[in-house]
Amino acid sequence: TQLLEQSPQFLSIQEGENLTVYCNSSSVFSSLQWYRQEPGEGPVLLVTVVTGGEVKKLKRLTFQFGDARKDSSLHITAAQPGDTGLYLCAGGQGGKLIFGQGTELSVKP
Amino acid sequence: NAGVTQTPKFRVLKTGQSMTLLCAQDMNHEYMYWYRQDPGMGLRLIHYSVGEGTTAKGEVPDGYNVSRLKKQNFLLGLESAAPSQTSVYFCASSLGRWNTEAFFGQGTRLTVV
Repeated sequence: TQLLEQSPQFLSIQEGENLTVYCNSSSVFSSLQWYRQEPGEGPVLLVTVVTGGEVKKLKRLTFQFGDARKDSSLHITAAQPGDTGLYLCAGGQGGKLIFGQGTELSVKP
Repeated sequence: NAGVTQTPKFRVLKTGQSMTLLCAQDMNHEYMYWYRQDPGMGLRLIHYSVGEGTTAKGEVPDGYNVSRLKKQNFLLGLESAAPSQTSVYFCASSLGRWNTEAFFGQGTRLTVV
């Protein structure tokens, strides 16, 4: 059983569309992180959310941490082909850093 | 500034052979992690270390051993490789308990035939 459940697992959209990726858990996390991974590379940190209800923006990407600190979402506005990649959420628990299954995003021109 | 360096980048093993993957970080991070990545399964934690001389099991530790004799190095060993261990392995490090923002190596692609 995955501690962090991401949905959807695959997403294929046209350039200019909006999308939301979800990361859910039954456990409370002190913080959640979002990473982006391109083929042949290691994941790279995008953002960390710490406070329940927190919203962070990174250009066209908006990240939200749930009030109960059990879930998070990533919203991309007007997606571009350069956004294509694997998006992963992760949470720390007692020294461990646990990842969700990832969302494979493909943005077609 | 190298960050996190993994060696080797590629390896092919025969079933039953052994090997060691090396991870080195130059950021003075306390925590280090080994993950494996398989299609559709994200990153699964194999073992981790919260400091020099300490190691602990992650989600999928069977068939692997680790050692952290020096703070900057974290070694992952496969004593008797099996085809089920064919995967991409990633090492990562982070500052510590209150800051788990992780920095990753480039990965090692291992094939066991």
